Amino acid sequence: DSGVTQTPKHLITATGQRVTLRCSPRSGDLSVYWYQQSLDQGLQFLIQYYNGEERAKGNILERFSAQQFPDLHSELNLSSLELGDSALYFCASSVAASGAYEQYFGPGTRLTVT
Amino acid sequence: EDQVTQSPEALRLQEGESSSLNCSYTVSGLRGLFWYRQDPGKGPEFLFTLYSAGEEKEKERLKATLTKKESFLHITAPKPEDSATYLCAVQAVGGSQGNLIFGKGTKLSVKP
Repeated sequence: DSGVTQTPKHLITATGQRVTLRCSPRSGDLSVYWYQQSLDQGLQFLIQYYNGEERAKGNILERFSAQQFPDLHSELNLSSLELGDSALYFCASSVAASGAYEQYFGPGTRLTVT
Repeated sequence: EDQVTQSPEALRLQEGESSSLNCSYTVSGLRGLFWYRQDPGKGPEFLFTLYSAGEEKEKERLKATLTKKESFLHITAPKPEDSATYLCAVQAVGGSQGNLIFGKGTKLSVKP
Protein backbone atom coordinates (compact mmCIF):
# COMPACT_ATOMS: atom_id res chain seq x y z
CA ASP A 1 0.00 0.00 0.00
CA SER A 2 1.58 3.26 -1.19
CA GLY A 3 -0.59 5.49 1.00
CA VAL A 4 -2.07 7.23 -2.04
CA THR A 5 -5.81 6.69 -2.45
CA GLN A 6 -7.93 7.12 -5.56
CA THR A 7 -11.66 6.92 -6.11
CA PRO A 8 -13.54 5.50 -7.84
CA LYS A 9 -11.74 2.31 -8.90
CA HIS A 10 -13.86 1.89 -11.99
CA LEU A 11 -15.94 4.33 -13.99
CA ILE A 12 -18.10 3.54 -17.00
CA THR A 13 -19.71 6.43 -18.82
CA ALA A 14 -20.94 7.50 -22.24
CA THR A 15 -19.35 9.74 -24.83
CA GLY A 16 -19.96 13.42 -24.24
CA GLN A 17 -20.25 13.05 -20.48
CA ARG A 18 -18.15 14.58 -17.70
CA VAL A 19 -16.49 12.73 -14.81
CA THR A 20 -14.39 13.62 -11.77
CA LEU A 21 -11.56 11.47 -10.44
CA ARG A 22 -10.35 11.99 -6.89
CA CYS A 23 -6.93 11.49 -5.32
CA SER A 24 -5.60 11.83 -1.77
CA PRO A 25 -1.79 12.00 -1.50
CA ARG A 26 0.37 10.30 1.10
CA SER A 27 0.48 12.02 4.44
CA GLY A 28 3.09 14.78 4.30
CA ASP A 29 3.33 14.91 0.50
CA LEU A 30 2.58 18.29 -1.04
CA SER A 31 2.96 17.45 -4.72
CA VAL A 32 0.34 15.58 -6.76
CA TYR A 33 0.79 14.31 -10.30
CA TRP A 34 -1.77 12.90 -12.70
CA TYR A 35 -0.82 10.33 -15.33
CA GLN A 36 -2.79 8.55 -18.04
CA GLN A 37 -1.93 5.00 -19.05
CA SER A 38 -3.26 3.52 -22.26
CA LEU A 39 -2.18 0.29 -23.94
CA ASP A 40 -0.37 1.93 -26.83
CA GLN A 41 1.03 5.05 -25.15
CA GLY A 42 2.26 3.86 -21.79
CA LEU A 43 2.26 6.24 -18.84
CA GLN A 44 1.87 9.85 -19.91
CA PHE A 45 2.19 12.83 -17.58
CA LEU A 46 -0.85 15.11 -17.54
CA ILE A 47 -0.46 17.74 -14.84
CA GLN A 48 1.25 18.50 -11.53
CA TYR A 49 0.08 20.49 -8.51
CA TYR A 50 2.18 21.56 -5.57
CA ASN A 51 0.58 22.85 -2.37
CA GLY A 52 -2.51 24.00 -4.23
CA GLU A 53 -0.78 25.62 -7.19
CA GLU A 54 -0.44 24.27 -10.72
CA ARG A 55 3.23 23.48 -11.25
CA ALA A 56 3.59 21.82 -14.63
CA LYS A 57 1.51 20.66 -17.56
CA GLY A 58 2.17 17.75 -19.84
CA ASN A 59 0.06 16.32 -22.62
CA ILE A 60 -3.23 17.34 -21.06
CA LEU A 61 -6.18 18.01 -23.35
CA GLU A 62 -8.13 21.26 -23.02
CA ARG A 63 -11.18 19.14 -22.13
CA PHE A 64 -9.34 18.00 -19.00
CA SER A 65 -8.69 20.11 -15.92
CA ALA A 66 -7.51 19.56 -12.38
CA GLN A 67 -7.21 21.28 -9.05
CA GLN A 68 -5.68 20.70 -5.65
CA PHE A 69 -7.62 21.69 -2.58
CA PRO A 70 -6.39 23.15 0.75
CA ASP A 71 -6.45 19.68 2.33
CA LEU A 72 -4.12 18.64 -0.55
CA HIS A 73 -6.48 16.19 -2.19
CA SER A 74 -6.77 16.62 -5.94
CA GLU A 75 -9.46 16.14 -8.53
CA LEU A 76 -9.10 15.51 -12.25
CA ASN A 77 -12.09 16.59 -14.31
CA LEU A 78 -12.62 15.05 -17.73
CA SER A 79 -15.34 16.52 -19.93
CA SER A 80 -16.85 15.93 -23.39
CA LEU A 81 -15.53 12.39 -23.12
CA GLU A 82 -14.50 10.50 -26.22
CA LEU A 83 -13.91 6.77 -26.76
CA GLY A 84 -10.18 7.46 -26.88
CA ASP A 85 -10.22 8.76 -23.32
CA SER A 86 -10.72 5.22 -22.04
CA ALA A 87 -7.61 4.46 -20.00
CA LEU A 88 -6.20 3.99 -16.53
CA TYR A 89 -5.70 7.27 -14.70
CA PHE A 90 -3.12 7.32 -11.94
CA CYS A 91 -2.37 9.85 -9.31
CA ALA A 92 1.07 10.01 -7.70
CA SER A 93 2.44 12.07 -4.86
CA SER A 94 5.85 13.17 -3.68
CA VAL A 95 7.17 15.27 -0.87
CA ALA A 96 8.53 18.12 -3.02
CA ALA A 97 7.73 19.96 -6.23
CA SER A 98 10.92 19.01 -8.01
CA GLY A 99 14.13 17.20 -7.30
CA ALA A 100 14.56 13.47 -7.77
CA TYR A 101 12.15 12.42 -5.06
CA GLU A 102 10.36 9.17 -5.59
CA GLN A 103 6.73 9.39 -6.60
CA TYR A 104 4.27 6.99 -5.03
CA PHE A 105 1.35 5.90 -7.14
CA GLY A 106 -2.23 5.21 -6.22
CA PRO A 107 -4.18 2.15 -7.40
CA GLY A 108 -5.69 4.05 -10.32
CA THR A 109 -9.11 4.69 -11.78
CA ARG A 110 -10.11 2.65 -14.82
CA LEU A 111 -12.25 4.81 -17.09
CA THR A 112 -14.31 3.18 -19.80
CA VAL A 113 -16.11 5.46 -22.26
CA THR A 114 -18.82 3.71 -24.30
CA GLU B 1 13.26 15.63 -26.89
CA ASP B 2 13.63 13.67 -23.67
CA GLN B 3 12.76 10.01 -24.11
CA VAL B 4 13.10 6.57 -22.57
CA THR B 5 13.31 3.27 -24.46
CA GLN B 6 13.04 -0.09 -22.76
CA SER B 7 14.02 -3.47 -24.14
CA PRO B 8 12.99 -6.13 -24.60
CA GLU B 9 9.24 -5.47 -24.69
CA ALA B 10 8.62 -8.92 -23.21
CA LEU B 11 10.87 -11.48 -21.56
CA ARG B 12 10.05 -15.05 -20.60
CA LEU B 13 12.35 -16.79 -18.13
CA GLN B 14 12.42 -20.08 -16.36
CA GLU B 15 12.53 -19.91 -12.58
CA GLY B 16 16.16 -19.43 -11.55
CA GLU B 17 17.26 -18.14 -14.98
CA SER B 18 18.97 -14.77 -14.41
CA SER B 19 18.70 -11.96 -16.95
CA SER B 20 18.78 -8.18 -17.43
CA LEU B 21 16.31 -5.55 -18.59
CA ASN B 22 17.57 -2.48 -20.42
CA CYS B 23 16.51 1.15 -20.20
CA SER B 24 18.10 3.65 -22.60
CA TYR B 25 17.45 7.32 -22.06
CA THR B 26 18.01 10.62 -23.81
CA VAL B 27 17.64 13.69 -21.63
CA SER B 28 19.16 17.15 -21.61
CA GLY B 29 20.33 16.48 -18.07
CA LEU B 30 19.46 13.65 -15.70
CA ARG B 31 18.14 14.47 -12.27
CA GLY B 32 17.21 10.89 -11.45
CA LEU B 33 16.31 7.53 -12.97
CA PHE B 34 13.55 5.47 -11.42
CA TRP B 35 12.52 1.83 -11.64
CA TYR B 36 8.99 0.73 -10.89
CA ARG B 37 7.20 -2.61 -10.88
CA GLN B 38 3.61 -2.76 -12.10
CA ASP B 39 1.23 -5.68 -11.69
CA PRO B 40 -1.78 -5.93 -14.05
CA GLY B 41 -4.47 -3.37 -13.21
CA LYS B 42 -2.46 -1.90 -10.33
CA GLY B 43 -0.46 1.26 -9.78
CA PRO B 44 3.31 1.29 -10.30
CA GLU B 45 5.27 0.29 -7.21
CA PHE B 46 8.50 2.18 -6.53
CA LEU B 47 11.68 0.08 -6.57
CA PHE B 48 14.82 2.25 -6.97
CA THR B 49 16.15 5.73 -7.67
CA LEU B 50 19.58 6.17 -9.28
CA TYR B 51 21.20 9.58 -9.50
CA SER B 52 24.59 9.31 -11.18
CA ALA B 53 26.59 7.05 -13.46
CA GLY B 54 28.22 4.18 -11.63
CA GLU B 55 25.58 4.00 -8.95
CA GLU B 56 24.07 0.62 -8.05
CA LYS B 57 21.17 -0.36 -5.80
CA GLU B 58 19.91 -3.77 -4.71
CA LYS B 59 16.73 -5.17 -3.30
CA GLU B 60 16.28 -8.91 -2.86
CA ARG B 61 16.79 -10.48 -6.33
CA LEU B 62 16.89 -7.12 -8.13
CA LYS B 63 19.91 -4.93 -8.81
CA ALA B 64 19.76 -1.66 -10.73
CA THR B 65 22.78 -0.01 -12.33
CA LEU B 66 23.25 3.28 -14.16
CA THR B 67 25.57 4.55 -16.89
CA LYS B 68 25.51 7.86 -18.74
CA LYS B 69 23.19 6.51 -21.41
CA GLU B 70 21.34 3.55 -19.93
CA SER B 71 20.28 1.62 -16.88
CA PHE B 72 20.01 -2.10 -16.32
CA LEU B 73 17.75 -4.02 -14.00
CA HIS B 74 19.40 -7.35 -13.24
CA ILE B 75 17.21 -10.14 -11.95
CA THR B 76 19.06 -12.95 -10.22
CA ALA B 77 17.43 -16.38 -9.86
CA PRO B 78 13.92 -15.03 -10.50
CA LYS B 79 10.81 -16.59 -9.02
CA PRO B 80 7.29 -16.69 -10.48
CA GLU B 81 6.26 -13.88 -8.11
CA ASP B 82 8.72 -11.59 -9.92
CA SER B 83 6.42 -11.70 -12.96
CA ALA B 84 5.26 -8.13 -13.67
CA THR B 85 5.89 -5.21 -15.98
CA TYR B 86 9.00 -3.25 -15.04
CA LEU B 87 8.92 0.44 -15.86
CA CYS B 88 11.85 2.80 -16.16
CA ALA B 89 11.39 6.56 -15.85
CA VAL B 90 13.62 9.62 -15.84
CA GLN B 91 13.33 13.05 -14.36
CA ALA B 92 15.12 15.71 -16.37
CA VAL B 93 17.04 18.68 -15.04
CA GLY B 94 15.62 22.11 -15.73
CA GLY B 95 12.35 23.80 -15.12
CA SER B 96 10.40 23.66 -11.92
CA GLN B 97 8.49 20.50 -12.58
CA GLY B 98 9.10 17.07 -11.19
CA ASN B 99 7.24 14.92 -13.65
CA LEU B 100 8.59 11.56 -14.80
CA ILE B 101 9.07 10.45 -18.39
CA PHE B 102 8.31 6.74 -18.65
CA GLY B 103 9.37 4.01 -21.01
CA LYS B 104 6.77 1.55 -22.21
CA GLY B 105 8.01 -1.19 -19.93
CA THR B 106 9.30 -4.74 -20.10
CA LYS B 107 6.76 -7.45 -19.35
CA LEU B 108 8.52 -10.21 -17.45
CA SER B 109 7.07 -13.70 -17.13
CA VAL B 110 8.80 -16.26 -14.92
CA LYS B 111 7.67 -19.84 -15.34
CA PRO B 112 8.09 -22.42 -12.55
